[in-house]
Amino acid sequence: NAGVMQNPRHLVRRRGQEARLRCSPMKGHSHVYWYRQLPEEGLKFMVYLQKENIIDESGMPKERFSAEFPKEGPSILRIQQVVRGDSAAYFCASSPWDRSSYNSPLHFGNGTRLTVT
Amino acid sequence: AQSVTQLDSHVSVSEGTPVLLRCNYSSSYSPSLFWYVQHPNKGLQLLLKYTSAATLVKGINGFEAEFKKSETSFHLTKPSAHMSDAAEYFCVVSDRGATNKLIFGTGTLLAVQP
Repeated sequence: NAGVMQNPRHLVRRRGQEARLRCSPMKGHSHVYWYRQLPEEGLKFMVYLQKENIIDESGMPKERFSAEFPKEGPSILRIQQVVRGDSAAYFCASSPWDRSSYNSPLHFGNGTRLTVT
Repeated sequence: AQSVTQLDSHVSVSEGTPVLLRCNYSSSYSPSLFWYVQHPNKGLQLLLKYTSAATLVKGINGFEAEFKKSETSFHLTKPSAHMSDAAEYFCVVSDRGATNKLIFGTGTLLAVQP
């Protein structure tokens, strides 16, 4: 059973370009979370999605960032007009729907490391 | 609101000696707590979780953690460090709201000296 798959592993963009990060959740998981890890910091929650719905985007920057999880295909985190401060590791995690879901650990991918030059 | 505080940003031990990584939590109700490990340039791996069952939780690779409500602590321990334990460790609390999002501590970088 494949784990959470993220691609690309490394992404280099120049300032002003767009970055697209992809995440395929574990089989059977319908909930996706995106986290950002800035250098020498812990992971910060960005957004929580279910299929075709954004449930909680309280951690997303107000501008330039967007996320989607379509009915078919992977979840996409999109960053428009990237700036140097966007350089970070972006992690995707998934979980199954479960009534006691607060007990369920999240399963993380290996992350996408974005470098903005 | 839930939060966790990792008391040490760096810990260095010698191979074969005990490991203690400290974590205090703040929660308005009985928390769900986790420890994750991150090896360099890798994703996060779950070490163990506490979900209001036994207060002493055993995890993978010989790690364990004890939930102490009176001290609001959830320290991670291992009797004997191995070189392969060198990594960053995150103490995490779950938001028991509708989103089940995880709230991470700032991490403790464990170095293991030969």
